[in-house]
Amino acid sequence: QKEVEQNSGPLSVPEGAIASLNCTYSDRGSQSFFWYRQYSGKSPELIMSIYSNGDKEDGRFTAQLNKASQYVSLLIRDSQPSDSATYLCAVNRDQTGANNLFFGTGTRLTVIP
Amino acid sequence: KAGVTQTPRYLIKTRGQQVTLSCSPISGHRSVSWYQQTPGQGLQFLFEYFSETQRNKGNFPGRFSGRQFSNSRSEMNVSTLELGDSALYLCASSLELTGLAGGGDTQYFGPGTRLTVL
Repeated sequence: QKEVEQNSGPLSVPEGAIASLNCTYSDRGSQSFFWYRQYSGKSPELIMSIYSNGDKEDGRFTAQLNKASQYVSLLIRDSQPSDSATYLCAVNRDQTGANNLFFGTGTRLTVIP
Repeated sequence: KAGVTQTPRYLIKTRGQQVTLSCSPISGHRSVSWYQQTPGQGLQFLFEYFSETQRNKGNFPGRFSGRQFSNSRSEMNVSTLELGDSALYLCASSLELTGLAGGGDTQYFGPGTRLTVL
């Protein structure tokens, strides 16, 4: 079983729609969770971090965390063509404070104008 | 505030050679992590340095090594290069004010070094 699993997609949504990206993780002791966006040929850029169960909203983006189900999701409202990218879910398993991010393989999102 | 910088941006080497990549973290950031990204394996954790000490290590052979200097800048070295080492090598820095347990601060990535091994 992979540490972090994502639906690789591709996921296509029309402009203005809601894009829903999902991620599951295997280590129940994981503490922190991140969503990164990566455009082709570029490095990952942070969209959201979430540490507690529930929802966290930032503009058009909402991250949802359910530790009991070991599930993290990212909703993108009013999707724009500029949102077309690969979205990477990352989980920090280390509980000592050290950084050790496990990444999913990413979900490729295409927003159709 | 300037972001994470990496040099060089592109490298072409041949099998058997060694290579050193450099990373300068965001000013004030104390933790530097290195990742390898390939189309087949995705992003994989190499190692993390904090206060000049390797704090965590991924599942890579000993040919991959690194170090961190007192100003938090970091280098990684790959010896005896193999074709499979061709990848994008990413450096990420995080603040880590206290370095204590807490799940890890947000990591910010540099632009990466694209290594091609011929």
